[in-house]
Amino acid sequence: DAGVTQSPTHLIKTRGQHVTLRCSPISGHKSVSWYQQVLGQGPQFIFQYYEKEERGRGNFPDRFSARQFPNYSSELNVNALLLGDSALYLCASSLSTSGKVEQFFGPGTRLTVL
Amino acid sequence: AQRVTQPEKLLSVFKGAPVELKCNYSYSGSPELFWYVQYSRQRLQLLLRHISRESIKGFTADLNKGETSFHLKKPFAQEEDSAMYYCALSGQAAGNKLTFGGGTRVLVKP
Repeated sequence: DAGVTQSPTHLIKTRGQHVTLRCSPISGHKSVSWYQQVLGQGPQFIFQYYEKEERGRGNFPDRFSARQFPNYSSELNVNALLLGDSALYLCASSLSTSGKVEQFFGPGTRLTVL
Repeated sequence: AQRVTQPEKLLSVFKGAPVELKCNYSYSGSPELFWYVQYSRQRLQLLLRHISRESIKGFTADLNKGETSFHLKKPFAQEEDSAMYYCALSGQAAGNKLTFGGGTRVLVKP
C-alpha cells in the first residue's frame, strides 16, 4: 500500500477561482480528515468524514466544502479563493473516528493563490 | 476549547546532548496526546502517543495532567533527529480531530 495519496502535488490559482483537491485513503480506512497548514504554523483541522458523512468541521468559512465517496476517497473544494488560502492541504486517513486511533497523513497539496 | 502550545520554535543542540521539546495543552476532559514528526521531504508521521507508554527512536514523553504538559525528551540527540516536531491532542470520544501546536524545529549539530 502506497499510503495516503493526494493530488495534485502543487497547484497555482488566482483570487476568486475555485479548486478541488483529492485524497485516497489507505485501503481499509473509512475515515478521512482534511487539514490546512499555513507556512510556519501547525496543521489546522478543516473536516472529518466517515462512511460518507461529515463527522466534524473546523472553524473555516462556507467557501470550504468536502465530500467522501463510496470508495472512501475524498475531495476538498474551496470556492472564491483568497490570498490567505495559500497553504499546504493535508489529508489524513484512519480506521475509525476514535480519538485513540492513529491518523496517517498524505504528502499534501501545496496551493498557491496569486 | 482544545489548545496546544509549543513555546520553542527552534531548538539547536549538539550531537549527544539531551533534548527536550515542551508541549502544554488545555482540554476539558481526558485527552489523547501525540507527538508527530516531519523529516525533511517526508510526510507527517506519528512518533509516539501517551497511551502506548513506549520509547520510539530513543524518545519518551510523559503526560503530566497536573501541569497539563506532554514534553518530549531524548537523552542523547542524533543528527538524524533533525526535523520538525508537532505536539497534538484529540479527545477520547468519537471524532478524532487533531489539534496541533505550532511546531518546534530541532537542529542537531555534529
